[in-house]
Amino acid sequence: GAGVSQSPRYKVAKRGQDVALRCDPISGHVSLFWYQQALGQGPEFLTYFQNEAQLDKSGLPSDRFFAERPEGSVSTLKIQRTQQEDSAVYLCASTNSGAEAFFGQGTRLTVV
Amino acid sequence: AQSVTQLGSHLSVSEGALVLLRCNYSSSVPPYLFWYVQYPNQGLQLLLKYTTGATLVKGINGFEAEFKKSETSFHLTKPSAHMSDAAEYFCAVIQNTGFQKLVFGTGTRLLVSP
Repeated sequence: GAGVSQSPRYKVAKRGQDVALRCDPISGHVSLFWYQQALGQGPEFLTYFQNEAQLDKSGLPSDRFFAERPEGSVSTLKIQRTQQEDSAVYLCASTNSGAEAFFGQGTRLTVV
Repeated sequence: AQSVTQLGSHLSVSEGALVLLRCNYSSSVPPYLFWYVQYPNQGLQLLLKYTTGATLVKGINGFEAEFKKSETSFHLTKPSAHMSDAAEYFCAVIQNTGFQKLVFGTGTRLLVSP
């Protein structure tokens, strides 16, 4: 595609619900990142994929967070049993080379 | 570990005035440095980047930044602010762990008044 696409753009979840956030990276991009951006803060790294391999998940805040990229293209970030502190914008970025990451518009998650 | 400090969470300027957004980094190895802009309810857009070579980097929308190793700084400037520059600006550094993991500052919101 022309850019990184994320869906949904907005998600409201009741506390305790499971959510799934989708990222469609730029076609052919090998690397895919997930970041979490809390209100008024800069994005913080969650996890990184190279093709289908998850090479770093050190930023995932708890075992309720899970990410996958089974075919090396689309990725899904899943949050189980959502809590209020999970409310944030979740950004996906992809890159191939040249140290430039292209970001999607993000998914704003609100847990009520 | 690398980190980024952005001084000032908000900056207000008048249209036509100089814009200076400050960024300092800590890094034990030569860094890759970036400035991103974020408009309301949008993702991040790359303004400019420094990897190697010329230390004065020109980006989109008339912005530029200078890498100063001695000061560990990468300040962003624009000679004359425009109303459309109002946005949040993030400085970021790549953590050299073998892949391009970005470490961001906390951001500076630029307000431009007529």
